[in-house]
Amino acid sequence: QVQLVQSGSELKKPGASVKVPCRASGYTFTTYAINWVRQAPGQGLEWMGWINTNTGNPTYVQGFAGRFVFSLDTSVSTAYLQISSLKAEDTAVYYCATDTWAYWGQGTLVTVSS
Amino acid sequence: EIVLTQSPGTLSLSPGERATLSCRASQSVSSSSLAWYQQKPGQAPRLLIYGASSRATGIPDRFSGSGSGTDFTLTISSLEPEDFAVYYCQQSGKFGQGTKLEIK
Repeated sequence: QVQLVQSGSELKKPGASVKVPCRASGYTFTTYAINWVRQAPGQGLEWMGWINTNTGNPTYVQGFAGRFVFSLDTSVSTAYLQISSLKAEDTAVYYCATDTWAYWGQGTLVTVSS
Repeated sequence: EIVLTQSPGTLSLSPGERATLSCRASQSVSSSSLAWYQQKPGQAPRLLIYGASSRATGIPDRFSGSGSGTDFTLTISSLEPEDFAVYYCQQSGKFGQGTKLEIK
């Protein structure tokens, strides 16, 4: 069965970087593009953009270009979200989801605190 | 930029009642790109409806979607205890702000 597996949580200091993995299983990795979604504590869902798993080409929604980078390692069927120069306001749960939106990872809580 | 506005913000109902949730787009959108999700605390969102009216795999038939143009509706015909959650509409990736369905 299709699964997207994410790590549980990350605690980082302001100014640091984090790389959030999303490991796919149960299907051919290049079948679906991967979306990334942010959910700040107590807030709604924000679509960050997506990455084409065939070409590796990322597309970023306005507001998520620059410090946010989507990448792939197709050898291990994994998509990554890297966030640099972390700020307190980056504290959120980050989800990956297939381009059909039918399959979601369980989310990774990134906490930015000194 | 299309903005999705969901109403009401909070809906208080009892099990067995009918729930009607609204999603209004700031301009006409394609029905094929309109979806609805359910999210419970501590869980990832779950796809309920895609293409405005098609139920996703495994979704009970008490959930139905309708609408076109700028106005879309998610209806839950008879609320079960497990249906109390937050519901989001989505159009081409972008989400509405959500409706919280709570037990009255």
